Amino acid sequence: QQQVKQSPQSLIVQKGGISIINCAYENTAFDYFPWYQQFPGKGPALLIAIRPDVSEKKEGRFTISFNKSAKQFSLHIMDSQPGDSATYFCAAKVALGGAQKLVFGQGTRLTINP
Amino acid sequence: DTAVSQTPKYLVTQMGNDKSIKCEQNLGHDTMYWYKQDSKKFLKIMFSYNNKELIINETVPNRFSPKSPDKAHLNLHINSLELGDSAVYFCASSQASVTYNEQFFGPGTRLTVL
Repeated sequence: QQQVKQSPQSLIVQKGGISIINCAYENTAFDYFPWYQQFPGKGPALLIAIRPDVSEKKEGRFTISFNKSAKQFSLHIMDSQPGDSATYFCAAKVALGGAQKLVFGQGTRLTINP
Repeated sequence: DTAVSQTPKYLVTQMGNDKSIKCEQNLGHDTMYWYKQDSKKFLKIMFSYNNKELIINETVPNRFSPKSPDKAHLNLHINSLELGDSAVYFCASSQASVTYNEQFFGPGTRLTVL
């Protein structure tokens, strides 16, 4: 119930192409859906996030599409660049007392070929 | 400048030893977390403290004991280390009062148990 399923596990895209990563969840108590980007040897960093009452959020080349009825959300990276090569994690948040628990997807290793 | 810092960055030790990892945040946040990232990059929450009080305790062996001396610090002590404890451990922090807040991650501590 508290799982977030992410696909694909790895993705190779040509420079300038569109990268698409998909996530699905079951728990309707999740109320916030962030995407984190992680470069080798670094901690994850927030990239973009969406609330479940919004169907799409765009920040620069990054867009989250959210389908509440299907319990699915996806990250689209337009005009993908070699610098976007990293591991991407979708996540879903549930409030637990004074804390906010993030449940992460399994991660997608994205490689952008020049 | 560093928002969330961890020491040490690398830790190599023998099975059966006891070790500690330290975490400090200078963001003024009231909530701190420990995550474990395994060899397949899967990120899983272990513990969370809010205002020095333990509020999330996932199914983690009791060999792992977190300690929060104050809101800015969250340390992780591990007793009787096992091979399966080898992973990257990330500390993170957030502000609980902000509904859709961001968790800021440290750079990670790579623990290798031989």
